[in-house]
Amino acid sequence: AQSVTQLDSQVPVFEEAPVELRCNYSSSVSVYLFWYVQYPNQGLQLLLKYLSGSTLVKGINGFEAEFNKSQTSFHLRKPSVHISDTAEYFCAVSQGGYQKVTFGIGTKLQVIP
Amino acid sequence: DARVTQTPRHKVTEMGQEVTMRCQPILGHNTVFWYRQTMMQGLELLAYFRNRAPLDDSGMPKDRFSAEMPDATLATLKIQPSEPRDSAVYFCASGPEVYEQYFGPGTRLTVT
Repeated sequence: AQSVTQLDSQVPVFEEAPVELRCNYSSSVSVYLFWYVQYPNQGLQLLLKYLSGSTLVKGINGFEAEFNKSQTSFHLRKPSVHISDTAEYFCAVSQGGYQKVTFGIGTKLQVIP
Repeated sequence: DARVTQTPRHKVTEMGQEVTMRCQPILGHNTVFWYRQTMMQGLELLAYFRNRAPLDDSGMPKDRFSAEMPDATLATLKIQPSEPRDSAVYFCASGPEVYEQYFGPGTRLTVT
């Protein structure tokens, strides 16, 4: 079985400040990891993904995430946020193959002017 | 820029009525997913297909919900009869693999 824990339900941060959204997962086998972003009244958009290779993954809009196998984490970071980054962010895990993707409950990022 | 399309975008209906939601997956994607999102439950997987065959529909209330793929360009989700507790945003997603998904804009369903 696999599961995802997003440790913060809401994260307020000032514009141009750095941000880290935390995600921990559990799985008995190797995993694929994802971050999605959902803007108000829109569907989820794939932000970045880790399938294999380099543990530092770069995504769209200046976001990056680091896969840490020993800590079973996949935290999302951005060095300087913009107002337009205000959205809900979902971490997700899959064991690959035909196994479904498990989503976290989401973290609402609020960027304060 | 290929996208998943969903129709209708909004639907208001009365309890007991049939509701049909449609999804056009991205051309070439062979996996299709139906999710439901509510404030209380978050994002729930209802069903998913690969090559038009259902892989898992355990998340779907079988007595009133049904999901089908009549062809590779159309997926449908039906609720009959609808109930107020079905009010939610329903998302369709498609992907080249089960683990890589691209979401549509959603259908916001309100059952009164």
